[in-house]
Amino acid sequence: DQQVKQNSPSLSVQEGRISILNCDYTNSMFDYFLWYKKYPAEGPTFLISISSIKDKNEDGRFTVFLNKSAKHLSLHIVPSQPGDSAVYFCAARGPGTYKYIFGTGTRLKVLA
Amino acid sequence: DAGVIQSPRHEVTEMGQEVTLRCKPISGHDYLFWYRQTMMRGLELLIYFNNNVPIDDSGMPEDRFSAKMPNASFSTLKIQPSEPRDSAVYFCASSRVRQPQHFGDGTRLSIL
Repeated sequence: DQQVKQNSPSLSVQEGRISILNCDYTNSMFDYFLWYKKYPAEGPTFLISISSIKDKNEDGRFTVFLNKSAKHLSLHIVPSQPGDSAVYFCAARGPGTYKYIFGTGTRLKVLA
Repeated sequence: DAGVIQSPRHEVTEMGQEVTLRCKPISGHDYLFWYRQTMMRGLELLIYFNNNVPIDDSGMPEDRFSAKMPNASFSTLKIQPSEPRDSAVYFCASSRVRQPQHFGDGTRLSIL
């Protein structure tokens, strides 16, 4: 039972355009969400997070949106750059635990 | 600052052998996590520690898997006996309380 789902295994975007990566979750108790970026042969690197008390968090070119009623979050990258090409994972956890549940990842390719 | 250090980076061994994966977390981090990444299941949390004490090991697949954290600067994940289906990339991560995790670069394990 996959509690965190990233239904798009891959995405291609032209350089300079917006990349939108999506993530759905099933557990309404989740209250903290994160996005990680992963390059080949490296560990995931933290990108941005959002608490369930917010619906948007921004950090430079990266913005995460949270829609609690739809149990959906998305990561927007504007403008996309070739260096953003990587696998992106969303993760979630509930209150009082550090047990993070990860999605299966979306491979983003930014075309020059 | 040194990041999370994992060793070995690659391990190839025959089924039935004991495998030991090692992790040195970032100094000052209270939490340590072991993950397994496979194509089918993505990133799965196996176990996590707080102040060297195992908190949640519900993700450990079988009794063949064990993890220890004898002190704040070292942890091991052991598989005995190993099986081909244990082949995966194993990541260690560490964090301070309520902070995002920092991942090591992983150990790629192949069981023949």
